[in-house]
Amino acid sequence: AQSVSQHNHHVILSEAASLELGCNYSYGGTVNLFWYVQYPGQHLQLLLKYFSGDPLVKGIKGFEAEFIKSKFSFNLRKPSVQWSDTAEYFCAVNAGNYGGATNKLIFGTGTLLAVQP
Amino acid sequence: DAGITQSPRYKITETGRQVTLMCHQTWSHSYMFWYRQDLGHGLRLIYYSAAADITDKGEVPDGYVVSRSKTENFPLTLESATRSQTSVYFCATQLAGGRGETQYFGPGTRLLVL
Repeated sequence: AQSVSQHNHHVILSEAASLELGCNYSYGGTVNLFWYVQYPGQHLQLLLKYFSGDPLVKGIKGFEAEFIKSKFSFNLRKPSVQWSDTAEYFCAVNAGNYGGATNKLIFGTGTLLAVQP
Repeated sequence: DAGITQSPRYKITETGRQVTLMCHQTWSHSYMFWYRQDLGHGLRLIYYSAAADITDKGEVPDGYVVSRSKTENFPLTLESATRSQTSVYFCATQLAGGRGETQYFGPGTRLLVL
């Protein structure tokens, strides 16, 4: 079955440190990949997504992610984090053949990022 | 533009009671989804709907019922609430079909079943 793994459950960084959150998925076909962010007390918001083309995707607030097909990975990066980046980050994959439908997102378990000022 | 609203935002109920969580959208998106968010599990799909009167099960549908008589509303009913259904419930919408489409999430409903 398709799955998404986020190996870092909790990450603590100081402001200005660089961030990389891991995301690996298991699916051999064509995928679309997403990173969502959930700030404390708020709903999920889309950070960025990969549909096709350039495997390096730029998102909002200085985030980017690189799709490496050979490694089944879609890691999220930011060169310099801010206190306001404290949030939970979810990786998700939309695997087109999942259950015969095309719109079921499979989410990872999330990574809680705490940025210390 | 309200987008997606969920009500109630917080709910406390007792085991065995029926509970209905409401989701309303103002965008006329075709697809609507219900997820539950639990620690250690991330978000899991309960039910989804491709259009009015078309619904289908997700990953964890047991104990839940949905309906969609109108495009803008997608209520989720817990027929007989259990403690294991204590969770945060998110409604989401998607404009149309297609694997690259973005899902937009509502603010969530925190449900506690005693």
